[in-house]
Amino acid sequence: ILNVEQSPQSLHVQEGDSTNFTCSFPSSNFYALHWYRWETAKSPEALFVMTLNGDEKKKGRISATLNTKEGYSYLYIKGSQPEDSATYLCASVNYGQNFVFGPGTRLSVLP
Amino acid sequence: EAGVAQSPRYKIIEKRQSVAFWCNPISGHATLYWYQQILGQGPKLLIQFQNNGVVDDSQLPKDRFSAERLKGVDSTLKIQPAKLEDSAVYLCASSLAGENQPQHFGDGTRLSIL
Repeated sequence: ILNVEQSPQSLHVQEGDSTNFTCSFPSSNFYALHWYRWETAKSPEALFVMTLNGDEKKKGRISATLNTKEGYSYLYIKGSQPEDSATYLCASVNYGQNFVFGPGTRLSVLP
Repeated sequence: EAGVAQSPRYKIIEKRQSVAFWCNPISGHATLYWYQQILGQGPKLLIQFQNNGVVDDSQLPKDRFSAERLKGVDSTLKIQPAKLEDSAVYLCASSLAGENQPQHFGDGTRLSIL
């Protein structure tokens, strides 16, 4: 099973700060990269599905970029709010191997 | 639209007992996934169904875990017999066909083995 890594493991920021996390995934036989937000006591919620090298997606204050050649994706949050506090998960899909999730980045936004 | 339904929400059993989880996906979603999420780790794919056929069960411990989706809609995941290391959250997700489709997750079942 190929490995998906995320960094940092956890992050504490002040309300209003902008922040970003990294997802590293196998670049060979790449098919798709998913980002999910998982708030405590709720179910994971899909943020983005990205497939093309250089792709950028945006949803409100959250955006993501994708580099399939070097095997990484960045998730950015602009002007963090307390409601952004959650664990952010990425999952890689490669030909011949289905969804492999990273361990997540736990974000805490302090008011 | 109604979301993915899972039951039960919580289950406590003793080791060597059996347990079953149920999942009802979003209507029209051909693909159904079962994940095991152990504290501090990302969800691990146990099995993926496309309608009533298995696409991937390479990480399902088949000596004790089984899953079915007989009519291509609801699914059940069973553990028999349970071990201490099976304590985890079991998540069900569904999506339209294709791994480039976002997954919709249920609330999960938190299983504790005593």
